[in-house]
Amino acid sequence: GENVEQHPSTLSVQEGDSAVIKCTYSDSASNYFPWYKQELGKGPQLIIDIRSNVGEKKDQRIAVTLNKTAKHFSLHITETQPEDSAVYFCAASIGTGGFKTIFGAGTRLFVKA
Amino acid sequence: EADIYQTPRYLVIGTGKKITLECSQTMGHDKMYWYQQDPGMELHLIHYSYGVNSTEKGDLSSESTVSRIRTEHFPLTLESARPSHTSQYLCASSGSRSSNQPQHFGDGTRLSIL
Repeated sequence: GENVEQHPSTLSVQEGDSAVIKCTYSDSASNYFPWYKQELGKGPQLIIDIRSNVGEKKDQRIAVTLNKTAKHFSLHITETQPEDSAVYFCAASIGTGGFKTIFGAGTRLFVKA
Repeated sequence: EADIYQTPRYLVIGTGKKITLECSQTMGHDKMYWYQQDPGMELHLIHYSYGVNSTEKGDLSSESTVSRIRTEHFPLTLESARPSHTSQYLCASSGSRSSNQPQHFGDGTRLSIL
């Protein structure tokens, strides 16, 4: 069945360094790839997304890249800050208007001051 | 600023009780979802809805039931709570029938069954 693999499960970086989280999806029909950040005691919140007709998207310190051929996409956070510490989830959505959104298992990011 | 609200935030209750977790959204979204999540861990879809009077079971088998009588409201009910139901329950919604859109999540209900 469809699945999304996310790596690493835990990531620890020094403040100011970059963090990269990678995801691989299995269904080539996937066409929408959101990333969510979940802070303690909160629900996941969208931080950036990318559609299959785009290879890269950037929003300030956050960027996402998509390689459709290899079926993988990555989240890049530059100049990390302690407030970036959270759990990050990637997801892949299949089809148009469909319900099939598959989430990765999450990456716990620790940014050390 | 939250446009999707879940109540209660925390609930500790004894085995055998009937529980209803409330979820409301003010965005007029057609699609709504319930996920079960141990805090910070994987999200497991347990129910979803296309719109009013539509409900479907998700990937993870659950003894809960849902209803969708109004667009903005998607309550989840456990008829007889058991310790195995202890978890966090997240509600979400998304808009647009024609293209994939992000899901908007509530802050969850943390449920503990004694």
